[in-house]
Amino acid sequence: SYELTQPPSVSVSPGQTARITCSGDALPKKYAYWYQQKSGQAPVLVIYEDSKRPSGIPERFSGSSSGTMATLTISGAQVEDEADYYCYSTDTSDNPRGVFGGGTKLTVL
Amino acid sequence: EVQLVQSGAEVKKPGESLKISCKGSGYSFSTYWVGWVRQMPGKGLEWMGIIYPDDSDTRYSPSFQGQVTISADKSISTAYLQWSSLKASDTAMYYCARHGSKWLEPDYWGQGTLVTVSS
Repeated sequence: SYELTQPPSVSVSPGQTARITCSGDALPKKYAYWYQQKSGQAPVLVIYEDSKRPSGIPERFSGSSSGTMATLTISGAQVEDEADYYCYSTDTSDNPRGVFGGGTKLTVL
Repeated sequence: EVQLVQSGAEVKKPGESLKISCKGSGYSFSTYWVGWVRQMPGKGLEWMGIIYPDDSDTRYSPSFQGQVTISADKSISTAYLQWSSLKASDTAMYYCARHGSKWLEPDYWGQGTLVTVSS
């Protein structure tokens, strides 16, 4: 079955740029989405359709996609951005099914 | 305002059955896919499957096919996730989420239902 691969962890100091990658064979054909999940809370969509930002999400969050890799970038990461981040996409079957990446723990300290 | 409100936490014994619910409001429930996502303790998000309430078209992840049943009652804007025989390994937080019509992305999430299966 289809898989999305993320690094288990990323660590940056406050104010630095954090980049989290997500690789998947279908990403050239399917959008990537990114979710932030803080401890004990439901996930929140932070990037949709590779690079669009929902209303209310800070401008420091951005996304890009090239070939089989999508990237979430947090420019000037803040302590409050420390969370688990998950990419999401769908497979290329006639009746697509969703899949999440394994998640990346972002540490900002 | 789009809202998904899930039923409360459950504590069950192995072998018991269970059905949890997710009630949508603030949008046309029948015309958006609704799905379920599992999160085992300390683990990542796992996409389980989705249902289109208008015609009950359902898609399951291969990992969950045959293990759970997803259903919906569009007359009361509610989706369900059910088990016929719970196992200890079903202990997890379960989230429902509205999925976008075109690209099937989860866009609005419920608050989660914690299911604990223990003898």
